Amino acid sequence: TQLLEQSPQFLSIQEGENLTVYCNSSSVFSSLQWYRQEPGEGPVLLVTVVTGGEVKKLKRLTFQFGDARKDSSLHITAAQPGDTGLYLCAGARGSSNTGKLIFGQGTTLQVKP
Amino acid sequence: SAVISQKPSRDICQRGTSLTIQCQVDSQVTMMFWYRQQPGQSLTLIATANQGSEATYESGFVIDKFPISRPNLTFSTLTVSNMSPEDSSIYLCSVDRVRGETQYFGPGTRLLVL
Repeated sequence: TQLLEQSPQFLSIQEGENLTVYCNSSSVFSSLQWYRQEPGEGPVLLVTVVTGGEVKKLKRLTFQFGDARKDSSLHITAAQPGDTGLYLCAGARGSSNTGKLIFGQGTTLQVKP
Repeated sequence: SAVISQKPSRDICQRGTSLTIQCQVDSQVTMMFWYRQQPGQSLTLIATANQGSEATYESGFVIDKFPISRPNLTFSTLTVSNMSPEDSSIYLCSVDRVRGETQYFGPGTRLLVL
């Protein structure tokens, strides 16, 4: 079974601090997505990374896909209360034609003003 | 992206009853998925719903408990049958835009079974 280990599971920080969330696996993924989910809503896609070593930036968020496409990280600079939410990583298995994603356990982020 | 709506947005149901959740997409899509999510936790895939074929269920989920319909390329339903309190959860549908690379989610249906 392919697993995505996401860490940390919970993070409570002060506004202005930096943080990094990690997703690790022993398996290779053809792509990896990051989602943010706020209470009462569905997950919203933030980014998809496809190429090993790829780095994508979305304002204060930086996403990196590992060279071997087995791991990924999300770094938030100068976190703000609006960043509060559940962050989910999800990997796609390129060898399969099912379109299914494997989700990490999620990271609940709380940014205090 | 894709605009996805779900009905109902939330419901409170009695044990032993059934609830059908609808998922509507603003454009035609090949693959639709149904997930279950406990509050604050990650997503568990229930099944994949493809138009014109039987849904494919994940381990631990069966058609008798979660029958799915996919009558066309923009619509699907998930029924939670013979509900028990353990079925209390958030149910989400999603669509696959670029196979295996991008899924977009509906807002979810919050179900409480008493």
